[in-house]
Amino acid sequence: SYELTQPPSVSVSPGQTASITCSGDKLGDRYASWYQHKPGQSPVLVIYQDSKRPSGIPERFSGSNSGNTATLTISGTQAMDEADYYCQAWDSNTGVFGGGTKLTVL
Amino acid sequence: QVQLVQSGAEVKKPGASVKVSCKASGYTFTSYYMHWVRQAPGQGLEWVAIINPNGGSTGYAQKFRDRVTMTRDTSTSTLYLELSSLRSEDTAVYYCARGLYEVPNEFYFDYWGQGTLVTVSS
Repeated sequence: SYELTQPPSVSVSPGQTASITCSGDKLGDRYASWYQHKPGQSPVLVIYQDSKRPSGIPERFSGSNSGNTATLTISGTQAMDEADYYCQAWDSNTGVFGGGTKLTVL
Repeated sequence: QVQLVQSGAEVKKPGASVKVSCKASGYTFTSYYMHWVRQAPGQGLEWVAIINPNGGSTGYAQKFRDRVTMTRDTSTSTLYLELSSLRSEDTAVYYCARGLYEVPNEFYFDYWGQGTLVTVSS
């Protein structure tokens, strides 16, 4: 079965740039999306189709996808961005999520 | 505005079944595929199932295929997820989510329900 691999944790200082990677076999040949998930809340879509931002998502969130790696980049990270982030893609009509990355802003 | 409102928390014994609902409003129910995603305690998100409300065709993750059923009622714009032969590992928050796509079968989830906690315990 298809797998997506994320680092368990990433730390960043406020105002700096955070990058979260997601690796999978030929991931660049399919679309990746990213979700922000805070405790006690429902997940929120922050990037879809590799690099598109939904309405209402700040411009500091951006995405890319090439080769075997998709990357979520948060520029000028703010304390409110502290959350778990999940990448997601599709393989053989099955949804696949990465294991999630806990972003700590300190 | 789009809303997905799910049913309340459930507590079930091992071996029992549970049926969770998700009522959609604010858009044309039959125009968007719908999905279920779950999160077990301390674990990540896991995709469970998909339904095309226009016709009712479904698809399931391999690990659930023999004990999960996703249905819909177009007259009430409501989705259902039924999971049978429950075990402790099924304890999780179950979310419904609306799926969009431009490439067939490559969905992203733009709206999510508030989640339903299903606890399986003897």
